[in-house]
Amino acid sequence: GENVEQHPSTLSVQEGDSAVIKCTYSDSASNYFPWYKQELGKRPQLIIDIRSNVGEKKDQRIAVTLNKTAKHFSLHITETQPEDSAVYFCAASVAGTASKLTFGTGTRLQVTL
Amino acid sequence: DAGVIQSPRHEVTEMGQEVTLRCKPISGHNSLFWYRQTMMRGLELLIYFNNNVPIDDSGMPEDRFSAKMPNASFSTLKIQPSEPRDSAVYFCASRDRNTGELFFGEGSRLTVL
Repeated sequence: GENVEQHPSTLSVQEGDSAVIKCTYSDSASNYFPWYKQELGKRPQLIIDIRSNVGEKKDQRIAVTLNKTAKHFSLHITETQPEDSAVYFCAASVAGTASKLTFGTGTRLQVTL
Repeated sequence: DAGVIQSPRHEVTEMGQEVTLRCKPISGHNSLFWYRQTMMRGLELLIYFNNNVPIDDSGMPEDRFSAKMPNASFSTLKIQPSEPRDSAVYFCASRDRNTGELFFGEGSRLTVL
């Protein structure tokens, strides 16, 4: 089955700096890679996703890159703000609702003033 | 749509008692997932259903755990008998068949004394 590894487990950046979180996956059939943000005491929520037919996707301060050859994908947050502080999870899946998402172990991002 | 609805939001019970968690997925979503989240083990997939049929229950910890989905709008996760190590937040999620996005409920926080 799919195995997703995520690094780092914790990340502290100063407000305004960039943050990068990296994930690797094992199943070459995976073609859907979402990122979820979980604030303290809340549910995980989708912030951005990428499919294997593109190499990069951007949404305001958030971008995700995908390297299918190397089987890794990354989340980039620019101009970080205190409200970006949360736990971020990457996941991988084969497209289609009959498949499950395999999550990484999460990265706790702390944005300091 | 009100999103994925879980109940109860909080439950405190004593060791040995039966616990039943409930979930109503988003209408039209045909896949439903049960996750458990703890600090030590992160986000673990327990079981998931597709069209009300259990597809993968390999994450269910042991025979004390059981899950059912009698129809497309309702699922239960039962723990009998409960143990202190079952204390966790249990999330239910349903998946959009078109986009593949996973929508989480607000979770049920279980404390077993």
